[in-house]
Amino acid sequence: GQNIDQPTEMTATEGAIVQINCTYQTSGFNGLFWYQQHAGEAPTFLSYNVLDGLEEKGRFSSFLSRSKGYSYLLLKELQMKDSASYLCAVKDSNYQLIWGAGTKLIIKP
Amino acid sequence: ETGVTQTPRHLVMGMTNKKSLKCEQHLGHNAMYWYKQSAKKPLELMFVYNFKEQTENNSVPSRFSPECPNSSHLFLHLHTLQPEDSALYLCASSQASGGAETQYFGPGTRLLVL
Repeated sequence: GQNIDQPTEMTATEGAIVQINCTYQTSGFNGLFWYQQHAGEAPTFLSYNVLDGLEEKGRFSSFLSRSKGYSYLLLKELQMKDSASYLCAVKDSNYQLIWGAGTKLIIKP
Repeated sequence: ETGVTQTPRHLVMGMTNKKSLKCEQHLGHNAMYWYKQSAKKPLELMFVYNFKEQTENNSVPSRFSPECPNSSHLFLHLHTLQPEDSALYLCASSQASGGAETQYFGPGTRLLVL
């Protein structure tokens, strides 16, 4: 079967750095997405990786290793507004999106 | 604001009711999706429409009936639902290109079935 694993919940401190991991086992790979979802709101696109390596976008970076079936989302200089769920999703060989259950990130002052 | 709107935002219905969820996208996309999101579970893809044609129906019970009258509008008609259908229903759209296009989501309808 296909599955995406990510931690259920993480806690971090304002101003710190946090890394949210995602491992995947899918039939084929056509890219990995990270979305942010605040409570009661729409998931919003954060990043897309299809090649190995690190993609940096401001305070957020996303890393991919296809050989390891692994990605992480790195959030720097954490702010209270970063409290949200972070969803990892992979497009398989049929271009179907396979979703993880999301990681709820709690930021404490 | 993602360019995808959904109404209503909240809905409470009995098991014998009939209701409809509406989604509209203002992004000029040609593909639209219905997802079900339950607490602590992955998003479940329910239906996909490409150019108004249904291309995916992931074993969804017939009490859920989609309708896509044009590429900007998508409906989900609900009837005789069960309490376990209570969830957040998300609509999304994308510019389908057979590749890794990004999906843009609406804010969802929070549904409670009593």
